Amino acid sequence: KAGVTQTPRYLIKTRGQQVTLSCSPISGHRSVSWYQQTPGQGLQFLFEYFSETQRNKGNFPGRFSGRQFSNSRSEMNVSTLELGDSALYLCASSLEGRQGGGYTFGSGTRLTVV
Amino acid sequence: GQQLNQSPQSMFIQEGEDVSMNCTSSSIFNTWLWYKQEPGEGPVLLIALYKAGELTSNGRLTAQFGITRKDSFLNISASIPSDVGIYFCAGLRGGTSGSRLTFGEGTQLTVNP
Repeated sequence: KAGVTQTPRYLIKTRGQQVTLSCSPISGHRSVSWYQQTPGQGLQFLFEYFSETQRNKGNFPGRFSGRQFSNSRSEMNVSTLELGDSALYLCASSLEGRQGGGYTFGSGTRLTVV
Repeated sequence: GQQLNQSPQSMFIQEGEDVSMNCTSSSIFNTWLWYKQEPGEGPVLLIALYKAGELTSNGRLTAQFGITRKDSFLNISASIPSDVGIYFCAGLRGGTSGSRLTFGEGTQLTVNP
């Protein structure tokens, strides 16, 4: 059973640019969540998608957005990049994202904004 | 954002020693999860706890879901060098409106052979 696949693994962008990250969940998993990991703030929840709908959203500015496709694959987009957006972005998939559903994380996308 | 209080922040131990770390929260969680993260990788689930008071083992790892649903601990017995990494607790509320994991700050474990 393939795990959660995130692409690309590494990315370098310039301030002001926008970026799109991709996540392919485990086959059969319908919930995809995104997290930002930084040394200062730790792991912070961005948003959760289930059946192509955003079901939950963290406290991030509107520059952070996402979507989910009918095959459960998800993308997140960050527009007008700032230096502080440099982080490891992690995607997690689960069957339904509810109690009892184990979350499996991908290896992440390391974004560096210069 | 809200985080769980995880302690200790770091531990330096000798191979063979036992390790204990814990998480506390001011809020109730329905599920507690323990993850391990190694450099360049995402967190890997070690143990999931679903009921208050539940005690669960996975090899040398043992974790408990606190009775109040506001805390959890993880024990590692007879540590080995490959136990090195960052251990995170995470709480999950879940519900019909979706769910999110709230993470602790992590415990950096170093094992000296």
